[in-house]
Amino acid sequence: DTGVSQDPRHKITKRGQNVTFRCDPISEHNRLYWYRQTLGQGPEFLTYFQNEAQLEKSRLLSDRFSAERPKGSFSTLEIQRTEQGDSAMYLCASSLGLVDQYFGPGTRLTVT
Amino acid sequence: SQQGEEDPQALSIQEGENATMNCSYKTSINNLQWYRQNSGRGLVHLILIRSNEREKHSGRLRVTLDTSKKSSSLLITASRAADTASYFCATEARAGNMLTFGGGTRLMVKP
Repeated sequence: DTGVSQDPRHKITKRGQNVTFRCDPISEHNRLYWYRQTLGQGPEFLTYFQNEAQLEKSRLLSDRFSAERPKGSFSTLEIQRTEQGDSAMYLCASSLGLVDQYFGPGTRLTVT
Repeated sequence: SQQGEEDPQALSIQEGENATMNCSYKTSINNLQWYRQNSGRGLVHLILIRSNEREKHSGRLRVTLDTSKKSSSLLITASRAADTASYFCATEARAGNMLTFGGGTRLMVKP
């Protein structure tokens, strides 16, 4: 499969727990983006990387959120002390240089 | 925050009819893109139009861009039941930067 993959596809967690999502971009894509989408809304930007450098972070990315891309390949998004408001679809996208972003299938998080 | 509004929020048509969706945005852009999303799935890129372009075609899709009005439209001709999905416009202020999405139009095409 040559597309963007995300793991897990679904995650149910209790409030207060930590969760970590993984995104594997298309091979050789140097840019990787994270977005969050709540039900009935369009995706909202969270952060993006060029290679291993995190270049921009949204105000939505509170202190409880941290994203890494240690070797410039896959990325992880961790949410600490989850809250019910964190329930959403977390989407990852990758691009080669400045052109089209290709989206993964998303990880749906439900916080109970 | 969302870049702008999409209109209508929901659209229901019969198979074979054309569907038109509109998108407005607020800031200057490098390009505007349209994406499709089937229920609970990831986004599929449909078409990109650059700020110096006014119209673009791809198969049954036609996109227009009016930068003076900060608006765009997506026309799907001869719609099919398989076109049922949510459609989002997204703007990119600078190439390679983040995308800013609208709220989407939920299209239902009845067979």
